[in-house]
Amino acid sequence: DTGVSQNPRHKITKRGQNVTFRCDPISEHNRLYWYRQTLGQGPEFLTYFQNEAQLEKSRLLSDRFSAERPKGSFSTLEIQRTEQGDSAMYLCASSLADTDTQYFGPGTRLTVL
Amino acid sequence: DAKTTQPTSMDCAEGRAANLPCNHSTISGNEYVYWYRQIHSQGPQYIIHGLKNNETNEMASLIITEDRKSSTLILPHATLRDTAVYYCIVSNFGNEKLTFGTGTRLTIIP
Repeated sequence: DTGVSQNPRHKITKRGQNVTFRCDPISEHNRLYWYRQTLGQGPEFLTYFQNEAQLEKSRLLSDRFSAERPKGSFSTLEIQRTEQGDSAMYLCASSLADTDTQYFGPGTRLTVL
Repeated sequence: DAKTTQPTSMDCAEGRAANLPCNHSTISGNEYVYWYRQIHSQGPQYIIHGLKNNETNEMASLIITEDRKSSTLILPHATLRDTAVYYCIVSNFGNEKLTFGTGTRLTIIP
């Protein structure tokens, strides 16, 4: 399968711990996006990269959140000092620049106890 | 991006056509209408998009009114696997981010 993959699929952590998620996009896609989805809501945009450059960040992305895409391929999303309000599904998507379709991965479900 | 309004939920009998409406009265001239769906516990999946003309692909048809203030997604022969939340999104072509609402929860009834 050459779709978008995300790891881990599930993460349970205690409040105050740091967590890191990984996203591997479709190989030729130069754009990579992170979204967050809470129960009963649609996904909310967090940030996106074109190649290794982070071009936009949402106000939702507090200073406890950091995303990287060092070589323009896979990306990581780190949350420091997790809070219960961070519990959500974190979705990654990829696309070719200036095309009409974003392809989503299965998401990482984070539970903060 | 323009805001969209969709019914919270709909039911459709298996084998019948499912017609999902979307209002986007503030759409601007260069904004497209996109439809994605999200099956339980999966990431969203692209279905179709259009600007002015009606569009059809292997998954669905998209009917956009002449004034572009509303549209309808049509699944011609709904199956149980079409049960999902369907999102109507208005955005510039190639826009860097998608703004999802709460969508329509479509349930296909056997």
